[in-house]
Amino acid sequence: EVQLVQSGAEVKKPGESLRISCQGSGYIFTSHWIGWVRQMPGKGLEWMGVIYPPDSDTRYSPSFQGQVTISVDKSARTAYLHWSSLKASDSAMYYCVRRDCGSTGCPLDYWGQGTLVTVSS
Amino acid sequence: QSALTQPASVSGSPGQSITISCSGPSSGFAGYSYVSWFQQHPGKAPKLLIYDVTNRPSGVSDRFSGSKSGTTASLTISGLQTDDEADYYCATYITSSTLLYVFGTGTKVTVL
Repeated sequence: EVQLVQSGAEVKKPGESLRISCQGSGYIFTSHWIGWVRQMPGKGLEWMGVIYPPDSDTRYSPSFQGQVTISVDKSARTAYLHWSSLKASDSAMYYCVRRDCGSTGCPLDYWGQGTLVTVSS
Repeated sequence: QSALTQPASVSGSPGQSITISCSGPSSGFAGYSYVSWFQQHPGKAPKLLIYDVTNRPSGVSDRFSGSKSGTTASLTISGLQTDDEADYYCATYITSSTLLYVFGTGTKVTVL
């Protein structure tokens, strides 16, 4: 069974750093890109970026370029989303998602359960 | 990239059919053939319902169907059930070097 399991909720202060994780299981981890999606409270889904585990090729949405860093440890089957200096506006739910290019449109077929990040002084 | 436009809300009675639209820019995206639809219940992660405009992943009910005409994609839910009450998002994959996905604005479906 394909699963993406994310790390637990975080409460941080503005200016602090944070890394959240997403571990894949039940499939060949190096065969699929892993993406990250933000959902702010009461709002819609926003695409942040994606990483390819075999070579760490990373592509960012222009809206998130320079704001976050996406990385991967393929030996640990884990992708990461990192902030060096959090802002209150980073408070949101973050989902990791698998990109399946077995189909032409590369659908986002499996999602993690989400990690809630709260940034407050 | 601008979000795809969806109606804020759609409602229907149990057993009825409803359709949710998803409109892109008039000039269209190169990847607009790759429309997906997701269902999100409150407090849960999104779930893939439809991909590549019309295809259903295994395990998804055939009450959910997708279509596209021009730059407008649609999700139809037939035989509406109480469990269908959720938020629905369309998305498209822009075939460029950025591997960018764009989501719709989201539609709240209410079962009356």
